[in-house]
Amino acid sequence: EVQLVESGGGLVEPGGSLRLSCAASGFIFSNAWMNWVRQAPGKGLEWVGRIKSKIDGATADYVAPVKGRFTISRDDSKNTLHLQMNSLKTEDTAVYYCTTIVNFYYYMDVWGKGTTVTVSS
Amino acid sequence: DIQMTQSPSSLSASVGDRITITCRASQTISNYLNWYQQKPGKAPKLLIYVASTLQSGVPSRFSGSGSGTDFTLTISSLQPEDFAAYYCQQSYNIPWTFGQGTKVEVK
Repeated sequence: EVQLVESGGGLVEPGGSLRLSCAASGFIFSNAWMNWVRQAPGKGLEWVGRIKSKIDGATADYVAPVKGRFTISRDDSKNTLHLQMNSLKTEDTAVYYCTTIVNFYYYMDVWGKGTTVTVSS
Repeated sequence: DIQMTQSPSSLSASVGDRITITCRASQTISNYLNWYQQKPGKAPKLLIYVASTLQSGVPSRFSGSGSGTDFTLTISSLQPEDFAAYYCQQSYNIPWTFGQGTKVEVK
């Protein structure tokens, strides 16, 4: 069974850092493009960024509000995706989901349950 | 960035009703359009991809259509488990963007 389990969320002060992880199982993680999507309380979904597979260059792209502050990385030896979040702002408060991406048409077919990040003083 | 606009933002319906949600892109996105369902407190779930292809396991009462800039999600006969929020999403250009969502509520 394909499964994604996020962890690492919590309460952090503005300006602080947090590292989220997403443990993947049930598929060949090293071949997969992976994604982070977030949802602020009571709001809609926002794509945060995605990372390609290593064979496709392992490059990452981000939405404008997080560029330069967030970094997506992957550890294929541990089947784990990471989201390093620095210089956090109150508007980064959200549930963060990791998802798989199906290549070519780039739809998000498997989602984790999410981890909650609260940025507050 | 490509803006995705859904309408309506919310709708009230009864079990058995046929409902349609529309999604409009600010520029052409071919058929790079996906639909997700989200129930309260849960992660979104993929319903339809590439505008009209039903994800495995999704009931056939769900259907999608459209191409270019205008798309629709139709539920032919609303069931109790279909009361949820629905989001469209374009995967044509980065940054991938979602519509603001449509909440389907009990009438």
